[in-house]
Amino acid sequence: AQSVTQPDIHITVSEGASLELRCNYSYGATPYLFWYVQSPGQGLQLLLKYFSGDTLVQGIKGFEAEFKRSQSSFNLRKPSVHWSDAAEYFCAVGDGTSYDKVIFGPGTSLSVIP
Amino acid sequence: GAVVSQHPSRVICKSGTSVKIECRSLDFQATTMFWYRQFPKKSLMLMATSNEGSKATYEQGVEKDKFLINHASLTLSTLTVTSAHPEDSSFYICSATIQGTGANVLTFGAGSRLTVL
Repeated sequence: AQSVTQPDIHITVSEGASLELRCNYSYGATPYLFWYVQSPGQGLQLLLKYFSGDTLVQGIKGFEAEFKRSQSSFNLRKPSVHWSDAAEYFCAVGDGTSYDKVIFGPGTSLSVIP
Repeated sequence: GAVVSQHPSRVICKSGTSVKIECRSLDFQATTMFWYRQFPKKSLMLMATSNEGSKATYEQGVEKDKFLINHASLTLSTLTVTSAHPEDSSFYICSATIQGTGANVLTFGAGSRLTVL
């Protein structure tokens, strides 16, 4: 069965600094990968997804992620963090039977220092 | 854009009572919806896949008699927590797929926070 790990439970960065959130997955075939953001009182919002093709994926709000098959990773990056980026970030993997059903990683909580 | 609406957003009930949470897809039809449970400071745990017109598919370890799921129409799925107990207190989130767009991207509701006293 597929699984997702996010090694960093909590990260604090200064506003304007760069950000990288780590995600590693375990899956036998090419996975369907996602990054979601959850802000307090709001539903999960899809930042970006990878199904196939270019391994560098651009998303909304200035985020990007790179799929590295050799490292089983799908790290999320942003060159300059804004205070409004403070939220919970979840990496997720499609289970292979359909990319509707996804399994979520434990999440990384991001705090931004003004 | 596509919206998934959950109701109620918050509910408090007494132990032993049943609570129904609704998940509606607005402006699109959802043949499949998913129900997740999220504990404080924890990730989302997939509980079940709700299929319109058929029985839900439950994940291992989820009590189907405790968490009743009904998907009677293409825009509505309901989760009923039966004989609720304090340990059922949690944040319940539903999601739906936008069929026909080719994207098959999940849209999530804002969640329903259940507190069982």
